[in-house]
Amino acid sequence: DIQMTQSPSSLSASVGDRVTITCRASQSISTYLNWYQQKPGKAPKLLIYAASNLQSGVPSRFSGSGSGTDFTLTITGLQPEDFATYYCQQSSSIPITFGQGTRLEIK
Amino acid sequence: QVQLVQSGAEVKKPGSSVKVSCKASGGTFSNYGISWVRQAPGQGLQWMGGIIPIFGARKYAQKFQGRVTIATDESTSTVYMELSSLRSEDTAIYYCARELYSGVLGNAFDIWGQGTMVTVS
Repeated sequence: DIQMTQSPSSLSASVGDRVTITCRASQSISTYLNWYQQKPGKAPKLLIYAASNLQSGVPSRFSGSGSGTDFTLTITGLQPEDFATYYCQQSSSIPITFGQGTRLEIK
Repeated sequence: QVQLVQSGAEVKKPGSSVKVSCKASGGTFSNYGISWVRQAPGQGLQWMGGIIPIFGARKYAQKFQGRVTIATDESTSTVYMELSSLRSEDTAIYYCARELYSGVLGNAFDIWGQGTMVTVS
């Protein structure tokens, strides 16, 4: 199975900040990398697919980059509704695997 | 826009089985795959397996092989996930999720059900 490791596990930031979350795969996954946002009591929401493609309806302050084993999710200009937990997910091979999550908290 | 509506919460005894349903509302699955992802309390996301209803093609995570069965009833646009030999570690929220791309399994998930809490106690 491909292991996905996110860093940091948690992060404190303020409204308006620029934050970056990193995801590393245990082997190359090309650009088969997706990002989700999850708020308490809710299902995950797809933000970015294929490493850098913004899902329909997702604000442009979210962006993704990377290929191979190293990927980043960047939020430029944090908004109050962005405080949540973020997960990366590889879709290169079965079984699909997720990172452990990054909890983004208000400073 | 299709929505995925899941069945209600369940409380089960260890050793028993649970069957959770996921119904397409406002449309059908067409040729989109449906996967099941679970989340233990306070934990991350774990993919269990999926099915492309129109083709009947299935894939399961090795971890759950032999304990999980994913099936479909196309007449009612419903996908089912049955997990057997339940143990306390299976206590989790179980989500169904639709593939972003049609005709494939194991990609990104753009539509999620509301989740079904399964408690094994």
